[in-house]
Amino acid sequence: RKEVEQDPGPFNVPEGATVAFNCTYSNSASQSFFWYRQDCRKEPKLLMSVYSSGNEDGRFTAQLNRASQYISLLIRDSKLSDSATYLCVVGGLLIQGAQKLVFGQGTRLTINP
Amino acid sequence: DAGITQSPRYKITETGRQVTLMCHQTWSHSYMFWYRQDLGHGLRLIYYSAAADITDKGEVPDGYVVSRSKTENFPLTLESATRSQTSVYFCASSESRAEGGYTFGSGTRLTVV
Repeated sequence: RKEVEQDPGPFNVPEGATVAFNCTYSNSASQSFFWYRQDCRKEPKLLMSVYSSGNEDGRFTAQLNRASQYISLLIRDSKLSDSATYLCVVGGLLIQGAQKLVFGQGTRLTINP
Repeated sequence: DAGITQSPRYKITETGRQVTLMCHQTWSHSYMFWYRQDLGHGLRLIYYSAAADITDKGEVPDGYVVSRSKTENFPLTLESATRSQTSVYFCASSESRAEGGYTFGSGTRLTVV
């Protein structure tokens, strides 16, 4: 079983729609959680951290359910520029003082005009 | 300019050749990482470093060598390139304890023929 699992998609939604991504992780000792965004042929970039209480950044809302080991990302009022691959990322195992980040394979999203 | 830079952006090499991918960061981050990204596997950790002269293996270290004589540089060497090492390689860095995740370089697309 992969440490971080995501639905690879692709998700094709019309502009303005609301879209939700889900992710599960296997290591119950995981301590930090992120969503990264990766555009085609570019590097991954941090979209937002995910906190137990849930958090929001503009049109983006992230939720964490530690009991179910489940992370979600909701995008409201989607824009064409939201088209990208979204990576679920889980960290926790400290290696020489740093956290080890484990990346899901990503969910590909295309917003259609 | 401050940041994390990788070179070259693209490289084609022949099987059996030694090739070195460069990574340089200007933030004085303690931690640096090398990942490879392949279809079907997502991002996988090759090697990481907690400080100058401190390196350790990640998930897929075979066939690779790293060094870190200076904090700002973390080169990755393929000792004898194989076709299976054709991939996109990303270098990343983070501060201590990295609650904010990693920052990635723009990647090196390596093709081994």
